[in-house]
Amino acid sequence: GAVVSQHPSWVICKSGTSVKIECRSLDFQATTMFWYRQFPKQSLMLMATSNEGSKATYEQGVEKDKFLINHASLTLSTLTVTSAHPEDSSFYICSVLHNTGTRGIQYFGAGTRLSVL
Amino acid sequence: GQQVMQIPQYQHVQEGEDFTTYCNSSTTLSNIQWYKQRPGGHPVFLIQLVKSGEVKKQKRLTFQFGEAKKNSSLHITATQTTDVGTYFCAGPDFGNEKLTFGTGTRLTIIP
Repeated sequence: GAVVSQHPSWVICKSGTSVKIECRSLDFQATTMFWYRQFPKQSLMLMATSNEGSKATYEQGVEKDKFLINHASLTLSTLTVTSAHPEDSSFYICSVLHNTGTRGIQYFGAGTRLSVL
Repeated sequence: GQQVMQIPQYQHVQEGEDFTTYCNSSTTLSNIQWYKQRPGGHPVFLIQLVKSGEVKKQKRLTFQFGEAKKNSSLHITATQTTDVGTYFCAGPDFGNEKLTFGTGTRLTIIP
């Protein structure tokens, strides 16, 4: 499998500030990464698909100006939550797509717990 | 859009009992993947099933993909405390690599 590092693991910030989360693929070059959001006791909700060298593709209902995604290299994607508010508090998880033959498998980072005060 | 449902939502079993979670997709899937998420942790890939009717085993875990490639199951024999967590199935959207995750089944073990 792939090794994915996500940082920070936990962040507490004041309302109105911006928070950047990093997702790194440590052992292979990842053309495609994904960003998910998970509320307590719920499933994973895909926010956006991050493609190296191009703009991210956002899911319906996800504000692209609120959740800025940058995938400037094959090993790093970042998610910036701009002007965070308490309702943005959640568990954010990234994954990298590792293609095995023709069918890709996603390997996840450890996640970032964001608490906005 | 594609929907993936799992039942049951929660399952509490005595240690040593068996456990099964069922996954149903609204659309035919090219493959199905299973992930386990421990409490406070992140999803960890368990297995991928590709062929219609495929059955795969990993020690006490048995995974099955339905003949119509719209449903799947995960069966755990003789559960242990290390099996605690939420089990998610996930299927790819048609034509791309995005995964739609199932609603998950949370397993708790009574020692």
